[in-house]
Amino acid sequence: AQSVTQPDIHITVSEGASLELRCNYSYGATPYLFWYVQSPGQGLQLLLKYFSGDTLVQGIKGFEAEFKRSQSSFNLRKPSVHWSDAAEYFCAVPTNFGNEKLTFGTGTRLTIIP
Amino acid sequence: DTGVSQDPRHKITKRGQNVTFRCDPISEHNRLYWYRQTLGQGPEFLTYFQNEAQLEKSRLLSDRFSAERPKGSFSTLEIQRTEQGDSAMYLCASSLMTAEAFFGQGTRLTVV
Repeated sequence: AQSVTQPDIHITVSEGASLELRCNYSYGATPYLFWYVQSPGQGLQLLLKYFSGDTLVQGIKGFEAEFKRSQSSFNLRKPSVHWSDAAEYFCAVPTNFGNEKLTFGTGTRLTIIP
Repeated sequence: DTGVSQDPRHKITKRGQNVTFRCDPISEHNRLYWYRQTLGQGPEFLTYFQNEAQLEKSRLLSDRFSAERPKGSFSTLEIQRTEQGDSAMYLCASSLMTAEAFFGQGTRLTVV
C-alpha cells in the first residue's frame, strides 16, 4: 500500500534561515506527490505538486520541492522563512491510481523564532 | 468561485446526539471527499463521491456515519449517537479529475 513518512514531527527555524522538510514515500509506480500546509484551526492549502517532468517544482509562497526517485523522497525547501510560515506541513500521495484520494504523512509542525 | 465551503466551522455536541455537517464543493467539481483529522495526525480518508454516487467508504466510517451527495452537488456527513472518540476535524475536498484536490476549512467537532 502507498505510504508517506515525515520523519520530523517538529522543526524550529529562525526567521530568515533556510528550511528543509523531509518526506519519503512508498508507491508502486511513478507517483504524484503533494505538499499541503495547514494553519492552526484551518483547512489544507496546496503548496505544490509533482506529476511528471522536471523534478524540481516550484510552489506558492516561495516554496519548492525536489523529487528524487532514487531516494524515494520529495523534500520541501524554502531559502528564507518568514514568521507567517509557521504551520503544519503535510506530504501526501494518491492512495489509488485514478482518483484524488490521498494518503497523508503525520505532518511536520514548523515553529519560527525571531 | 469561492472554493470549498464547509458549515459549520465548529460544533460542540453532547455525547449521544446526532450531528450533520455540510460541504459545498467548487461548482464544477464532480469528485468530493471527506477526511477526518485528529490532533497530531494527518487527514484520514472517510469516503468519496463521484457525482451523486458514493464509490468508496473507509473502514473508519462506522455504521453511525452516513454521507450523501444528492444531485451531485453539496454533500452532508451525519454522525449518529456521537461518542467522544468522534471529536476531530472533518475536512471536505473536491476535484475535477485532475489529480489535484482542493480542501475546505474544515468542521471542528467536539463531543462532550
